[in-house]
Amino acid sequence: AQTVTQSQPEMSVQEAETVTLSCTYDTSESDYYLFWYKQPPSRQMILVIRQEAYKQQNATENRFSVNFQKAAKSFSLKISDSQLGDAAMYFCALYRQGAQKLVFGQGTRLTINP
Amino acid sequence: NAGVMQNPRHLVRRRGQEARLRCSPMKGHSHVYWYRQLPEEGLKFMVYLQKENIIDESGMPKERFSAEFPKEGPSILRIQQVVRGDSAAYFCASSPETPLTKNIQYFGAGTRLSVL
Repeated sequence: AQTVTQSQPEMSVQEAETVTLSCTYDTSESDYYLFWYKQPPSRQMILVIRQEAYKQQNATENRFSVNFQKAAKSFSLKISDSQLGDAAMYFCALYRQGAQKLVFGQGTRLTINP
Repeated sequence: NAGVMQNPRHLVRRRGQEARLRCSPMKGHSHVYWYRQLPEEGLKFMVYLQKENIIDESGMPKERFSAEFPKEGPSILRIQQVVRGDSAAYFCASSPETPLTKNIQYFGAGTRLSVL
């Protein structure tokens, strides 16, 4: 069975600071992808970043980067220079090529303090 | 290029009524997925469809729930005889056909179903 675990229900950070959200996962597959999605109060699910499991290099999208530790099955999201608009629920998700569906973690609510 | 369109945004039904949720995928996308989100939880997979075919319905409740994606028109998630436990946000996602990007799912804004 696949599982995705986000152990931090809530996190807060000062504006302009850096914050890291944790995610661990479990799969026996070798071909998979990992994602971080952002869900602001509007409820819209917004893709933040994607990591291919076969790539050793950590993905980066502007202020967002990941720390992908394949052996440890860990996939954390780092947000640099936090902005008020980053406040949202963040979900980590696992996609197995064979299953073709996303398995989500429970989410982390991120608050940005001005 | 319009995103994934879901309607209605909010649907109110009384117990025993039927709920129909609609989803139009992004242009050029032929894969549609439905997920359910209960309050304060992550999204849970329900069903994966391609045009006129159900590929994986392992997350669908065995009774009262059905989904379709006809050759023409939007995908429909249908819930018959709704109960209070069906109250949730229902999200649709779509993905393109190309192998390299097929794993990227783009989500609609969701339909919040409230059962009175």
